[in-house]
Amino acid sequence: QVQLVQSGAEVKKPGASVKIACKASGYSFTMFFIHWVRQAPGQGPEWMGVINPIGTRVNYAQKFQGRITVTRDTSTSTVYMDLSSLVSEDTAVYYCARGADFGDYVFAFWGQGTQLTVSS
Amino acid sequence: DIQMTQSPSSVSASVGDRVTITCRASQDISNRVAWYQQKPGEAPKLLIYGASSLQSGVPSRFSGSGSGTDFSLTVSSLQPEDFATYYCQQASGFPYTFGQGTKVEIK
Repeated sequence: QVQLVQSGAEVKKPGASVKIACKASGYSFTMFFIHWVRQAPGQGPEWMGVINPIGTRVNYAQKFQGRITVTRDTSTSTVYMDLSSLVSEDTAVYYCARGADFGDYVFAFWGQGTQLTVSS
Repeated sequence: DIQMTQSPSSVSASVGDRVTITCRASQDISNRVAWYQQKPGEAPKLLIYGASSLQSGVPSRFSGSGSGTDFSLTVSSLQPEDFATYYCQQASGFPYTFGQGTKVEIK
């Protein structure tokens, strides 16, 4: 079965960077986009970016341009999301999500989430 | 960015009730809308895609409708496991955006 397993919770200071991993299994890794979505406490989800299966193309929300980098390692079926220059407003649960068999534009499979806390 | 305005923000209902949640897009997005259910401490779960197509494994009491800018999600007969928060999402173009959510609470 499709599984997305994320790395563990992180606590960072303002100005620092964080790298969150998302390891995929149960399907052909190169056939589906992987998205990153975050959710701040009490807020709706917020789409951050996406990487295509081949890894040669990424698309980021303008809000995160310059601070976010999404990469993938096909040898380990893992996608990484780097977020730099952290501020307290980046405190949120971060999810990776995979598209559906019928299209990459909805999020059919989700990781368990990674809690990021940014605090001095 | 396309804004998704969801209403109501919360609704109190009883088991067996019919509940409808609406979502309005800031521009025409055809049928590129999905609906998700989220319970506390869990990731969102896809319910509806393409405005009205039921995701595999989702009970038939859930249905979606709409096109253009106005969309709705209906639960025909609320079950205890349906008390949760629901979000719409537009998939018309990047950046994908979500509504702010509707919390369905027990009356």
